[in-house]
Amino acid sequence: DTAVSQTPKYLVTQMGNDKSIKCEQNLGHDTMYWYKQDSKKFLKIMFSYNNKELIINETVPNRFSPKSPDKAHLNLHINSLELGDSAVYFCASSQEGSPTEAFFGQGTRLTVV
Amino acid sequence: AQSVTQLGSHVSVSEGALVLLRCNYSSSVPPYLFWYVQYPNQGLQLLLKYTSAATLVKGINGFEAEFKKSETSFHLTKPSAHMSDAAEYFCAVSDQAGTALIFGKGTTLSVSS
Repeated sequence: DTAVSQTPKYLVTQMGNDKSIKCEQNLGHDTMYWYKQDSKKFLKIMFSYNNKELIINETVPNRFSPKSPDKAHLNLHINSLELGDSAVYFCASSQEGSPTEAFFGQGTRLTVV
Repeated sequence: AQSVTQLGSHVSVSEGALVLLRCNYSSSVPPYLFWYVQYPNQGLQLLLKYTSAATLVKGINGFEAEFKKSETSFHLTKPSAHMSDAAEYFCAVSDQAGTALIFGKGTTLSVSS
């Protein structure tokens, strides 16, 4: 049973398109995250979200938006994709109250051409 | 603001040799510190975490780390490297709000036979 699962694993798309990446966790956690890993493998938080609060990293363009249909899902929507959006996107989850020990998905490698 | 610095972007050791991966942190509050490992084309897996209990923390796969407040360090060690340890290693600190992880730039560990 995969704890945090993301789909798709690979996504190749053209500039200007709109795409979504789905994330689901079956750990019963109440906080979910999206991280971006760039070509130099640097990881940076994009969003953290629980049922009370969405915290957005101020450096994230507003073309990126998280959407949570329920506590177990946090999808990432990206509008008007740009070449610089090419990266690996990781979904993660943790239990509120824990010291942000996060469980990560396998990642989605997004390539914008 | 919280941050971590990983010294050495690439560490090479021989199989059976000591592994030492360095991490220094900066934190305005008592930190929660983590080491994660990322195998090729996979997500991040937690190796160990420091949450202000014992300063010597034991993790999975024979890894351990020692929290040294006087040196603001949290170096990762393993007495004897295995080929299977070859991966990317990330040190991370919990942000001040406890809402997300702030990662170092990562250290690539290579193990030769």
